Amino acid sequence: GAGVSQSPSNKVTEKGKDVELRCDPISGHTALYWYRQSLGQGLEFLIYFQGNSAPDKSGLPSDRFSAERTGGSVSTLTIQRTQQEDSAVYLCASSFSTYTEAFFGQGTRLTVV
Amino acid sequence: DQQVKQNSPSLSVQEGRISILNCDYTNSMFDYFLWYKKYPAEGPTFLISISSIKDKNEDGRFTVFLNKSAKHLSLHIVPSQPGDSAVYFCAASNDYKLSFGAGTTVTVRA
Repeated sequence: GAGVSQSPSNKVTEKGKDVELRCDPISGHTALYWYRQSLGQGLEFLIYFQGNSAPDKSGLPSDRFSAERTGGSVSTLTIQRTQQEDSAVYLCASSFSTYTEAFFGQGTRLTVV
Repeated sequence: DQQVKQNSPSLSVQEGRISILNCDYTNSMFDYFLWYKKYPAEGPTFLISISSIKDKNEDGRFTVFLNKSAKHLSLHIVPSQPGDSAVYFCAASNDYKLSFGAGTTVTVRA
């Protein structure tokens, strides 16, 4: 596709349920990032994938959060046993290399009720 | 620990005038800086960047200034247009991880 695609665009889930968020990066981009933006906050780094290297998971807030990237392309962010504080917009971005700009998807708005 | 700070949450400017957005950072290892623009319900879009070896980069109406000694950068938009009304995020990179500020909401008044 022409840009970074995220699905779903909106997700409402009950507290305690698991959710999966999907990101399709721009073709050929080797770097993939997940960020989240809580209400009134900046963009919080979650995880970074670069090619076949081990991902940088240092931003994941708890062990309920995990992410994978299959075949160096599509990525899935999984949140287990969701909590209300997980409510945020989850943004995925990809870039061609380290020192080029990252292109963002439109985000997934997650609401935990 | 907030390594990138945008201390002004909002800015209102008259159409045609200059918008100046400020950003401070604490990590002296940052070597690449970017500005992103975000409209509601959309992802951030890249606006302009600057390497730490430069002190100015200009692209049309947008100019970014970097003062390394002060660990400060700014974005100038001139002239400001109604379509510039958005949230602007400052970002800084060390190796690969982009650290973002909290954003400044710019409103351009007609």
